Amino acid sequence: QSALTQPASVSGSPGQSITISCTGTSSDVGGYKYVSWYQQHPGKAPKLMTYDVSNRPSGVSNRFSGSKSGNTASLTISGLQAEDEADYYCSSYTSSSTRVFGGGTKLTVL
Amino acid sequence: QMQLVESGGGLVKPGGSLRLSCAASGFTFSGYYMSWIRQAPERGLEWLSYISNSGTTIYYADSVKGRFTVSRDNAKNSLYLQMNSLRAEDTAVYYCARGQYSNNPWGQGTLVTVSS
Repeated sequence: QSALTQPASVSGSPGQSITISCTGTSSDVGGYKYVSWYQQHPGKAPKLMTYDVSNRPSGVSNRFSGSKSGNTASLTISGLQAEDEADYYCSSYTSSSTRVFGGGTKLTVL
Repeated sequence: QMQLVESGGGLVKPGGSLRLSCAASGFTFSGYYMSWIRQAPERGLEWLSYISNSGTTIYYADSVKGRFTVSRDNAKNSLYLQMNSLRAEDTAVYYCARGQYSNNPWGQGTLVTVSS
């Protein structure tokens, strides 16, 4: 199972909005609603930010939103803040009943 | 609050074995699928396996199939990862996490280093 494709890096200024893409195939992202996004700060464990494409766990800011179109999922962060600077990973369930992660995207807040 | 604590990591020689444990608290462990995920140094996340709440359904990534075995003891609120035939490329932080389709929460991770 090949990793999902994410941009290596994205950047934005405080207050702006950014979107991170996650491209897969019809056998993973395009075929299931089970896409999730994780935030990871250096030296820390990942934290779930969205699940089932667009749901947010309790306690996660509504500045984070997930969506999907075809084989590409997206995470949008609005009102960018300094503490949003982190690595972000997408993940999807697959037709093999396994899971796959994206390569990760480093978000820099300018 | 929900908590997962991994243990058992360390330095092991290539070809060796190691057993990781994950102790769960703050939620009904027997009611949830559990997963193992790893992260090599300066690399991304790699899904390894998940196990059903009863332990009867288990799936593995191709990279570890036949070498790693996942199990659980619901009476002890514990998840395990038996790792055999370890290779240098298995060097990583290993995380346990609750869930099948998505993971929340995650443990803090335990470092496994495979080196002679």
